[in-house]
Amino acid sequence: EAQVTQNPRYLITVTGKKLTVTCSQNMNHEYMSWYRQDPGLGLRQIYYSMNVEVTDKGDVPEGYKVSRKEKRNFPLILESPSPNQTSLYFCASSLWAQGPYEQYFGPGTRLTVT
Amino acid sequence: SQKIEQNSEALNIQEGKTATLTCNYTNYSPAYLQWYRQDPGRGPVFLLLIRENEKEKRKERLKVTFDTTLKQSLFHITASQPADSATYLCALSDSWGKLQFGAGTQVVVTP
Repeated sequence: EAQVTQNPRYLITVTGKKLTVTCSQNMNHEYMSWYRQDPGLGLRQIYYSMNVEVTDKGDVPEGYKVSRKEKRNFPLILESPSPNQTSLYFCASSLWAQGPYEQYFGPGTRLTVT
Repeated sequence: SQKIEQNSEALNIQEGKTATLTCNYTNYSPAYLQWYRQDPGRGPVFLLLIRENEKEKRKERLKVTFDTTLKQSLFHITASQPADSATYLCALSDSWGKLQFGAGTQVVVTP
């Protein structure tokens, strides 16, 4: 089954404790992206990657890191989480050939930073 | 700065009628515009993509228009059903990977 998986689905952590949210896709997609969703603000892009070893900032990259060492994986790293990073996070992937195709979204990771 | 606006008020509509949603944008010249559906607590699901050189796209009961002069997209759900109740998001992108989403419009279809 074609899918995007994220782990963990729920996470409660404390300020300053480094964490990683994993994202994996099994569709051989070039493009992967991370979003955060907050009430009233919609989805905001954090980072995206057009292919292995190619990453770029979205609209809200501060406080986040990503890496793309393999085509299927695109982990999101919070080196020192803060309460304002409490949010619902989505990973997505798609084909990208001279432009976007439909994005497949993961189920989401609900993060709470206390 | 770039701005994408969707109606923040929920759209309440009777079953069988056509729902029309609006996506307006400013300070942006997107190459592509997409519409997604999102149910509570779940990831968005792709519906339609339209390119800047296309005026209209259809898929089953869905229709999207893209007017780059007005900087507006309209999304229509014809013969709406209660199962169409959800939040609908528009997303604009360039050709290099950056995407921006609107905050979404909630649609409620009553029998």
